[in-house]
Amino acid sequence: AQTVTQSQPEMSVQEAETVTLSCTYDTSESNYYLFWYKQPPSRQMILVIRQEAYKQQNATENRFSVNFQKAAKSFSLKISDSQLGDTAMYFCAFMKPGSNQFYFGTGTSLTVIP
Amino acid sequence: ETGVTQTPRHLVMGMTNKKSLKCEQHLGHNAMYWYKQSAKKPLELMFVYNFKEQTENNSVPSRFSPECPNSSHLFLHLHTLQPEDSALYLCASSQGGTTWEQYFGPGTRLTVT
Repeated sequence: AQTVTQSQPEMSVQEAETVTLSCTYDTSESNYYLFWYKQPPSRQMILVIRQEAYKQQNATENRFSVNFQKAAKSFSLKISDSQLGDTAMYFCAFMKPGSNQFYFGTGTSLTVIP
Repeated sequence: ETGVTQTPRHLVMGMTNKKSLKCEQHLGHNAMYWYKQSAKKPLELMFVYNFKEQTENNSVPSRFSPECPNSSHLFLHLHTLQPEDSALYLCASSQGGTTWEQYFGPGTRLTVT
């Protein structure tokens, strides 16, 4: 079975600064998808960014980027120019294509301080 | 409405009650999911339906009973629950294929007394 570990239960960052959330996973698969989801307080969970394991290039979405280290099984999320609206729980997730099975970490609660 | 909707948003039920959670997706997706979200624990995938057929059942107690009458609707029937079943229940849908992005509903906050 796959496991996803987020070792930082809580983090904080000053507005406009950069923060990195860590995620590691354990799998014997060679092809898979990795995701970062954001769950703002009392709001719906939304996808932030997605990475296919066969792609070496790190995914980026505006202020969000990942550092995907396949050999180390690491998938960190970098948020640049942090904004107050980035305050949320962030979940890292793993998925094997075709399996319908998604594995989530325990989440990191990020607070952006004005 | 757009996206994924869930009703009710909040539910308080006794251990002997029977209730149902409803999820509806307006995205034309072919897969739907039920998750349980508890504090300080990973999201737990409970059930998966693909084209109305249940494809996954991750050792969920029989007091939780899913129903998927069509690709747009998903129900979770609850009966004789335990206090430890109190949690946020999330519904999600996805198209499958090459992206596998999941779209989540707002969740139902369930409290079992």
